[in-house]
Amino acid sequence: ETGVTQTPRHLVMGMTNKKSLKCEQHLGHNAMYWYKQSAKKPLELMFVYSLEERVENNSVPSRFSPECPNSSHLFLHLHTLQPEDSALYLCASSQDHRASPAANYGYTFGSGTRLTVV
Amino acid sequence: GQNIDQPTEMTATEGAIVQINCTYQTSGFNGLFWYQQHAGEAPTFLSYNVLDGLEEKGRFSSFLSRSKGYSYLLLKELQMKDSASYLCAVSSLDSNDYKLSFGAGTTVTVRA
Repeated sequence: ETGVTQTPRHLVMGMTNKKSLKCEQHLGHNAMYWYKQSAKKPLELMFVYSLEERVENNSVPSRFSPECPNSSHLFLHLHTLQPEDSALYLCASSQDHRASPAANYGYTFGSGTRLTVV
Repeated sequence: GQNIDQPTEMTATEGAIVQINCTYQTSGFNGLFWYQQHAGEAPTFLSYNVLDGLEEKGRFSSFLSRSKGYSYLLLKELQMKDSASYLCAVSSLDSNDYKLSFGAGTTVTVRA
């Protein structure tokens, strides 16, 4: 148990489907992140939320829509995805995105959702 | 942005030593992290270096040279459970925001 829980662990969806990924953290952190991890590529930061407010959107296509209803929960809503969106989607949390990661020992990650778009 | 380079794959024998190198180019350097990620699991924190030198933690050690933009993670007395991906991540300060950027990871395979 890492303190950050992601569901579902695996998801297969068609290009016309709508689905949502969920992330929940039990660490009392104020910042949450969505990362995309593709094979042989660096983790790509998608979105950053701090105190439930989106503070960063790294040019992510609009078919990915994040939602942060409170500091413990983060969602990623998916619609009309493409096969190249297939990847591992990781959620992470930290004490405060404006504090040095050094003070937080970096970020705490969830185990990810393995997404396959067919 | 940051350019973070690390080898894609490494193989070593149980009981041996493996050194994973990481080079980076960044402005506003604020420290370097190493994470371990087993297949299908979350990346987990291994080490953090912000000053030059070697940090030792049991079988794992991490080294940093800021002037060279270079770090390595040293795994000693390798065990089968050490087979995993090792991610190098650089923290930098950019316009009053801290960013954590990752390399592509090095997959280490430990053979009996």
